[in-house]
Amino acid sequence: QSVLTQPPSVSGAPGQRVTISCTGRNSNIGSNYDVHWYQHLPGTAPKLIISGNNHRPSGVPDRFSGSKSGTSASLAITGLQAEDEADYYCQSYDSNVSGWVFGGGTKLTVL
Amino acid sequence: QLQLVQSGAEVKKPGASVKVSCEASGYQFTSYGISWVRQAPGQGLEWMGWISAYNGNTKYAQKFQGRVIMTRDTSTTTAYMELTSLRFDDTAIYYCARAMTGYNWFDPWGQGTLVTVSS
Repeated sequence: QSVLTQPPSVSGAPGQRVTISCTGRNSNIGSNYDVHWYQHLPGTAPKLIISGNNHRPSGVPDRFSGSKSGTSASLAITGLQAEDEADYYCQSYDSNVSGWVFGGGTKLTVL
Repeated sequence: QLQLVQSGAEVKKPGASVKVSCEASGYQFTSYGISWVRQAPGQGLEWMGWISAYNGNTKYAQKFQGRVIMTRDTSTTTAYMELTSLRFDDTAIYYCARAMTGYNWFDPWGQGTLVTVSS
């Protein structure tokens, strides 16, 4: 059971908008630790797509955006493209475990 | 070019140890940390621990305390993760990643090293 909770799967048609939620606790997201998001394609290294809750690293399309409120965070992807099909993970720091924690991952399917 | 290059795949027997290396290039090695993350088959990402490349300080996930040893060699800008007393459920892809200062993100990541524990 992951410390951060994500839906196992989401789907959307090309061009649509999808959101992926990440629910935490007072010991992590709720304690003002930032949330970061990664895109992971099978057989490749995870790729940082959102840092510090809502910052896009250079090269990440502006179709990806992040937000955080209270003990939860969200990743939004607009204008879905086939290449967006991947697993997405949220990450934060947790003071109870004194370490970094990940969500269980969300598989995005582009219909 | 900023990158982390990991050592190759390993096959080990239960009870053995494995040591994975992670060579960093393209940045000031001692200004950041290195975290290790693994992904077992069909599972999500799991943080194992962190090492400061500056002074070698470590922080391990409780699950791996006593079984994992993280070290680094500043002369070769290489970090190492050794996992001992291997079990079948340690079969996974092991990743290293540059850890930004503070309680922050990991970027970039190494290509991953498959460790298979099999009798």
